Amino acid sequence: GAVVSQHPSWVICKSGTSVKIECRSLDFQATTMFWYRQFPKQSLMLMATSNEGSKATYEQGVEKDKFLINHASLTLSTLTVTSAHPEDSSFYICSASSGMEDTQYFGPGTRLTVL
Amino acid sequence: AQSVTQPDIHITVSEGASLELRCNYSYGATPYLFWYVQSPGQGLQLLLKYFSGDTLVQGIKGFEAEFKRSQSSFNLRKPSVHWSDAAEYFCAVGVSGGYNKLIFGAGTRLAVHP
Repeated sequence: GAVVSQHPSWVICKSGTSVKIECRSLDFQATTMFWYRQFPKQSLMLMATSNEGSKATYEQGVEKDKFLINHASLTLSTLTVTSAHPEDSSFYICSASSGMEDTQYFGPGTRLTVL
Repeated sequence: AQSVTQPDIHITVSEGASLELRCNYSYGATPYLFWYVQSPGQGLQLLLKYFSGDTLVQGIKGFEAEFKRSQSSFNLRKPSVHWSDAAEYFCAVGVSGGYNKLIFGAGTRLAVHP
């Protein structure tokens, strides 16, 4: 149980376009979802936390207008990278939990390459 | 500021040998500590966690970790490594009390020789 999926697993886009990444909890209701960014050979860095039906809470230094997060249902959260640029190229990982104090279950990640 | 350091970027061990992965943290309050494993193409899986109580915690897949407050460490151990243990291992500290905000180390990539 507690499976989280992400789609797509890999995406390549042109500079200036927008990309949407989906995160789904397949067998549980995720009241809280988290989005992380991972640079090569570096830590996962928390970007934002979202609760279903509420606006996301962004970490310091993360541009909320660039990284749009929507958590419209208990099984789906989306991250949209708007007007993507090469410096946005990274590995994006989501996680989901059934509550703020509950175990986070992680998705397999999405690799974004912006040309 | 809170931080997690995993000094070893890459470790290679022989199958059947013992393993210890190091983790040091910096956090002002009592830490909530975690070890996760990530296999290629899969999400991070929780191996074990420490919240309070016994400083030696047991996890899945035969792993254990020991919390040492005096050394600010939470090292992961396994007495006999299997080839299937080859993966990336992440240590994390939960700030604000619990799972809701995790700070990760850079990870240690484990290779297992037959």
